[in-house]
Amino acid sequence: DQQVKQNSPSLSVQEGRISILNCDYTNSMFDYFLWYKKYPAEGPTFLISISSIKDKNEDGRFTVFLNKSAKHLSLHIVPSQPGDSAVYFCAAKRASGSEKLVFGKGTKLTVNP
Amino acid sequence: DVKVTQSSRYLVKRTGEKVFLECVQDMDHENMFWYRQDPGLGLRLIYFSYDVKMKEKGDIPEGYSVSREKKERFSLILESASTNQTSMYLCASSSQAGNTIYFGEGSWLTVV
Repeated sequence: DQQVKQNSPSLSVQEGRISILNCDYTNSMFDYFLWYKKYPAEGPTFLISISSIKDKNEDGRFTVFLNKSAKHLSLHIVPSQPGDSAVYFCAAKRASGSEKLVFGKGTKLTVNP
Repeated sequence: DVKVTQSSRYLVKRTGEKVFLECVQDMDHENMFWYRQDPGLGLRLIYFSYDVKMKEKGDIPEGYSVSREKKERFSLILESASTNQTSMYLCASSSQAGNTIYFGEGSWLTVV
């Protein structure tokens, strides 16, 4: 039973364009969401997060949007750069420190020069 | 900066060997985790620990055990390695009050 779903295993975009990565969740108790970026042979690094009290959080080129009614979040990267090519994992949890993160299976983003 | 260090980056072990993967964090975090990553399967939680000497099973604990004798150190043990345990293993930590977990660089284990 996948509680966090990333339905697109891969995405390819041109440099300079927008990349949109999508994530759906089923557990209505989740109220904190994170995106991680992972290069091959490295551990995931934290990218950006959002609490359920917000519907948008922005950090430079990265913006996360949350639609609680649809149980959907998305990560926008504008403009996309070749260095953004990586696997992106969506994760969700209940906002209590002891609750574990639930990860999606990841989306491989390729940004073409 | 949070530092999670995994002692071995690349290991090759034989089937049936006992394997130890060590992880140390320097941020005094209460929570520590072991994941494995496989293509198409994402990040799967093996075991986690909320405190010294405490451990809880994750989603795929079979064939693994863990040890947390000190707050900063969390070890993953494969009692008898098998070829289906060939994978990338990721250690992570977080504070009790925090929502973000921080990962180490990963350990690539090949069981032949």
